Amino acid sequence: EVQLVESGGGLVQPGGSLRLSCAASGFTFSSCAMSWVRQAPGEGLKWVSSISDSGGSTYYADSVKGRFTISRDNSKNTLSLQMNSLRAEDTAIYYCAKPMSNFRPPDYWGRGTLVTVSS
Amino acid sequence: QSALTQPASVSGSPGQSITISCTGTSSDVGNYNLVSWYQQHPGKAPKLMIYEVSKRPSGVSNRFSGSKSGNTASLTISGLQAEDEADYYCCSYAGSSTLVFGGGTKLTVL
Repeated sequence: EVQLVESGGGLVQPGGSLRLSCAASGFTFSSCAMSWVRQAPGEGLKWVSSISDSGGSTYYADSVKGRFTISRDNSKNTLSLQMNSLRAEDTAIYYCAKPMSNFRPPDYWGRGTLVTVSS
Repeated sequence: QSALTQPASVSGSPGQSITISCTGTSSDVGNYNLVSWYQQHPGKAPKLMIYEVSKRPSGVSNRFSGSKSGNTASLTISGLQAEDEADYYCCSYAGSSTLVFGGGTKLTVL
């Protein structure tokens, strides 16, 4: 059974940093690209970032480019998202998601972790 | 990276059919047969209902079907049931290893 469990969310001040993690199990993590998707309170889903299976290629939404960094540790089946220079508009539930293949829309999602950026 | 366009809300009575549209451009929906649909109940993670425009994952009711014409994809739910009341999102591959989601549609079962 595929399981994705996010952690690391919390309250952070504007301009601060936070690192999210996603523990993956139930599939061959090192063979799968992975993604982060977020959902602001009361809003829709928005793609944030994706990373190739090897970690050698990364992709970002314009809204987070230069501030967020996606990475992975295939030896630990873990996906990460380093978020710097956080803004109020980054407040959202962040979901770890597994694409069906390559960088296609996800088939499995974690339960999400809430990030709140506020002073 | 503009969001796909979905109606904000749709409604229907039990047993009826409803269709939710998802309009993109020739750079996303119109260019790839890689449209997925998700159901999201309040406080829950999204659940995959349709992938690759019209395919259903194992375990998803055959009351859910998908189609595409040009730049618009559609999700049809037949034989509406109370438990279908949820938010629905479309998602398309948009090239260059990026994804784009729709704004979401709130389905109300009357």
